[in-house]
Amino acid sequence: QQQVKQSPQSLIVQKGGISIINCAYENTAFDYFPWYQQFPGKGPALLIAIRPDVSEKKEGRFTISFNKSAKQFSLHIMDSQPGDSATYFCAARKDSNSGYALNFGKGTSLLVTP
Amino acid sequence: ETGVTQSPTHLIKTRGQQVTLRCSSQSGHNTVSWYQQALGQGPQFIFQYYREEENGRGNFPPRFSGLQFPNYSSELNVNALELDDSALYLCASSAASSSYNEQFFGPGTRLTVL
Repeated sequence: QQQVKQSPQSLIVQKGGISIINCAYENTAFDYFPWYQQFPGKGPALLIAIRPDVSEKKEGRFTISFNKSAKQFSLHIMDSQPGDSATYFCAARKDSNSGYALNFGKGTSLLVTP
Repeated sequence: ETGVTQSPTHLIKTRGQQVTLRCSSQSGHNTVSWYQQALGQGPQFIFQYYREEENGRGNFPPRFSGLQFPNYSSELNVNALELDDSALYLCASSAASSSYNEQFFGPGTRLTVL
């Protein structure tokens, strides 16, 4: 059972454009929502993360928007660059005594064209 | 500061064999999590180790087992390999004392089961 649903599966954006990737979750116990970037042959790299007590977090060109009532969150990449071409994963986690397992979406393959 | 390292990089085994994968956590991190990433999918949580004990487990059979050593490094063992075990195995380390318990991934071990 996929606990985090991610869309779109793939995305093509022109250089300088805005890339938007969306995720939805059902488990209201989730309280930490990170985004990871993965290049081919590499492990996922933590990009940015948010807690549900804020609606938006911005770091450089990357912004997470969070809608707690809708149980949705999204990643916005402003001024997208060819170097941003990678697979992006959203994830969600609930803090518990039984570990901090990340539940990942299926990923979005982003291609930024020159 | 040294990041998460994993060995070996690639591995080819045949069905029924056993395999051991290794992970060295990032300096200052005391928690290690293991994930399985099938081709084109998001990582799936296998288990987590903290203070040399299993601290949470995902939906994986008992033939997936692990160890954590006093220096916080870890091993993932898989017995009776099946074709479906072919995947990228990722190790992530984190510091239990950090407020967000961010997980940082290694480059992974690509396991092929023939």
